[in-house]
Amino acid sequence: AQSVAQPEDQVNVAEGNPLTVKCTYSVSGNPYLFWYVQYPNRGLQFLLKYITGDNLVKGSYGFEAEFNKSQTSFHLKKPSALVSDSALYFCAVRDSSGAGSYQLTFGKGTKLSVIP
Amino acid sequence: EAGVAQSPRYKIIEKRQSVAFWCNPISGHATLYWYQQILGQGPKLLIQFQNNGVVDDSQLPKDRFSAERLKGVDSTLKIQPAKLEDSAVYLCASSLVGSNTEAFFGQGTRLTVV
Repeated sequence: AQSVAQPEDQVNVAEGNPLTVKCTYSVSGNPYLFWYVQYPNRGLQFLLKYITGDNLVKGSYGFEAEFNKSQTSFHLKKPSALVSDSALYFCAVRDSSGAGSYQLTFGKGTKLSVIP
Repeated sequence: EAGVAQSPRYKIIEKRQSVAFWCNPISGHATLYWYQQILGQGPKLLIQFQNNGVVDDSQLPKDRFSAERLKGVDSTLKIQPAKLEDSAVYLCASSLVGSNTEAFFGQGTRLTVV
């Protein structure tokens, strides 16, 4: 069965500093990987995805993520954090081989707090 | 482009009552998902449709939950009878067909069962 692990419940970072939100995954085939952000009382908003090709993927609001196949990781990064980046971040995976009926499986989320 | 529409936004019911949620996906999106998000957890897939057919309902508690997608557009998720542990946010999402496509989410319905 496919799964996603987000090892940190909460990440705190000072405004202007770089941020990293960690994600590791497990699938039987090749992964399709996604990051979403959730603001209070809102649905999930798509940030970026890795399908194939360049391991560094750029997305919305200055976020990027690095795919590392050997470490089965897909960490979310931003060079300079903003207070407005404070939110809940979810990593998700889908098995490209069709195992799991192409189900999109989410991690439990990481709360990012950017301190002014 | 209009996003995924869900209603109602909030619902409070007593245990053993029934409740229904409605979702209108983005136009042209053949795939529709219903997720359950319990406070402090990530979304869990309940059911996935492609057009009006069910692709995956392996995690749907079928003794009390049901969902339909008539005509391959709007969808309704029903709970009957509700239990206290059904208190959660119910998220609807839609996407184009294809495993490499991202899902777009509605704002969700927050259900409280008392």
